[in-house]
Amino acid sequence: DTGVSQDPRHKITKRGQNVTFRCDPISEHNRLYWYRQTLGQGPEFLTYFQNEAQLEKSRLLSDRFSAERPKGSFSTLEIQRTEQGDSAMYLCASSLGGLAGDTQYFGPGTRLTVL
Amino acid sequence: AQTVTQSQPEMSVQEAETVTLSCTYDTSESDYYLFWYKQPPSRQMILVIRQEAYKQQNATENRFSVNFQKAAKSFSLKISDSQLGDAAMYFCAYRSTGNQFYFGTGTSLTVIP
Repeated sequence: DTGVSQDPRHKITKRGQNVTFRCDPISEHNRLYWYRQTLGQGPEFLTYFQNEAQLEKSRLLSDRFSAERPKGSFSTLEIQRTEQGDSAMYLCASSLGGLAGDTQYFGPGTRLTVL
Repeated sequence: AQTVTQSQPEMSVQEAETVTLSCTYDTSESDYYLFWYKQPPSRQMILVIRQEAYKQQNATENRFSVNFQKAAKSFSLKISDSQLGDAAMYFCAYRSTGNQFYFGTGTSLTVIP
């Protein structure tokens, strides 16, 4: 396995359009996380899944954002009616879970630019 | 809510020397994990080292070690024998019992040849 992958790597869209990002975690990992990172800042937690269940959701995640992880494999993050403030790097990470400190492995991110 | 503070936006170190990056955090929890992640320019984030709060012994990974002071809520990273490949943005992170992660704003490390 080559690690966490994300698609697309870059997305440019116009304000008001909907966008969807995909994350493929490391195959045996049951936890999957989404973060948003803006320039000069650390990643901000958005949400995470344990298998197909969405267990935590940040207050940062407005009702324009929705995430799914059907069948506990890949995950999608959709942003509806994009705004310029949504421009950021969206990072996905996965982990095995359990009691081992839950080390996360990050993907390369999807850079979103909203014009 | 938990917060993570990295008070050094930028640091530099001479190659082969030692540098320490600072991190403090605020929490009311007693059981948690702390991490240092490295994010090289235009590359993905990778784990450098982690520390379980219930362990008094400081974690060590080759040239990387931490100084974990639980009472002071301090978690600094020491890089020994710095190498050019250590140049990156370093993020301190806290994992809560609810499995949410909180990251600091990062410290940009420059290694001078």
